[in-house]
Amino acid sequence: DAMVIQNPRYQVTQFGKPVTLSCSQTLNHNVMYWYQQKSSQAPKLLFHYYDKDFNNEADTPDNFQSRRPNTSFCFLDIRSPGLGDAAMYLCATSRDAGLASEAFFGQGTRLTVV
Amino acid sequence: AQTVTQSQPEMSVQEAETVTLSCTYDTSESDYYLFWYKQPPSRQMILVIRQEAYKQQNATENRFSVNFQKAAKSFSLKISDSQLGDAAMYFCAFSNTGNQFYFGTGTSLTVIP
Repeated sequence: DAMVIQNPRYQVTQFGKPVTLSCSQTLNHNVMYWYQQKSSQAPKLLFHYYDKDFNNEADTPDNFQSRRPNTSFCFLDIRSPGLGDAAMYLCATSRDAGLASEAFFGQGTRLTVV
Repeated sequence: AQTVTQSQPEMSVQEAETVTLSCTYDTSESDYYLFWYKQPPSRQMILVIRQEAYKQQNATENRFSVNFQKAAKSFSLKISDSQLGDAAMYFCAFSNTGNQFYFGTGTSLTVIP
């Protein structure tokens, strides 16, 4: 059974048109992460939530925002997608990294910007 | 800042043989965790093995084991008796107590029948 679910699997958006990617989890984990993964590159952490506490990486562009309305859901909003934002976006959860908790990943959303 | 380096973009191994994937990391923290994740083509990333930095004993999970050298900041993955299903991208990852995971650039493993 899928535990971290990302929708949609594939998303095509127009240059400059806001887009939202969604992630849900059935694990009741405290931490939710968003990663950007470009071809042949390491997943790059954009930000994470510990419960409702939002933590942004210093080099995450302002164009990327996130919302976590409740424990189960987390959204990635790209306000004005550029061609360089085309990538796989991975959502992950962990119970608590301080307890050596592994990260569970969704299958990702592949974003294409046209 | 934490960095994770995987110096082998691609590796190949003959089926049933052993292969070692390298990973080094850089951190000033004393309390952290290290992981190896596997990402098969078009499939989600899954955990292979984990290691707590405070443990000197190397972690082992069936055919997968690590060689953790804390002083050298090295964390290699050994896959024994390689199987076709082991073919995937392997990522080394670092996690600190700030709930942040950082990944290396990955090693693409090919298993040759």
